[in-house]
Amino acid sequence: QQQVKQSPQSLIVQKGGISIINCAYENTAFDYFPWYQQFPGKGPALLIAIRPDVSEKKEGRFTISFNKSAKQFSLHIMDSQPGDSATYFCAASWGRSEKLVFGKGTKLTVNP
Amino acid sequence: GAVVSQHPSWVICKSGTSVKIECRSLDFQATTMFWYRQFPKQSLMLMATSNEGSKATYEQGVEKDKFLINHASLTLSTLTVTSAHPEDSSFYICSVPLRTEAFFGQGTRLTVV
Repeated sequence: QQQVKQSPQSLIVQKGGISIINCAYENTAFDYFPWYQQFPGKGPALLIAIRPDVSEKKEGRFTISFNKSAKQFSLHIMDSQPGDSATYFCAASWGRSEKLVFGKGTKLTVNP
Repeated sequence: GAVVSQHPSWVICKSGTSVKIECRSLDFQATTMFWYRQFPKQSLMLMATSNEGSKATYEQGVEKDKFLINHASLTLSTLTVTSAHPEDSSFYICSVPLRTEAFFGQGTRLTVV
């Protein structure tokens, strides 16, 4: 019930390509779905987040697509750049708990 | 975004000693802070919720006597790893919620030798 399943585990994309990372959840009480970017040796940084009342949110090159009925959400990185190479975590929380349940992470490598 | 400062960034300690890690919220007050643990190439696992003015709430399987949490003020929480052993070596990260978002510290790499 508390799990967030993330795939793929690793992803290699060419510069300029689209990176797509997927997450699925079981707990229908989740109502906040953020994506975090983490560089080696650093804490995670919030990238973009979405709530279930919208199906898509876009900020610059980053887009979250949300499918409430399928209990899935995904991160799309357009025009991927080598500087985007990092580990990406999806997460979910519920109510006002602010406790985050994290996916296992996706290591993205963008080749020049 | 909000600034969360964690100190130290890295620490090496001898087995059997204790280590204290600080998490400070620099530009807002927080009655709640969270402590996570991250093993190499793995996800973040919530260890405990630090509550200002009351006891910390620990997740299942986390030893409260080993990982002492003190929420000293509305801007400071500390995590003390007591009687550290090599298996406690990990990356410890705090987060501070602000409205609906969570802001993370830069993490502390603990190595127990």
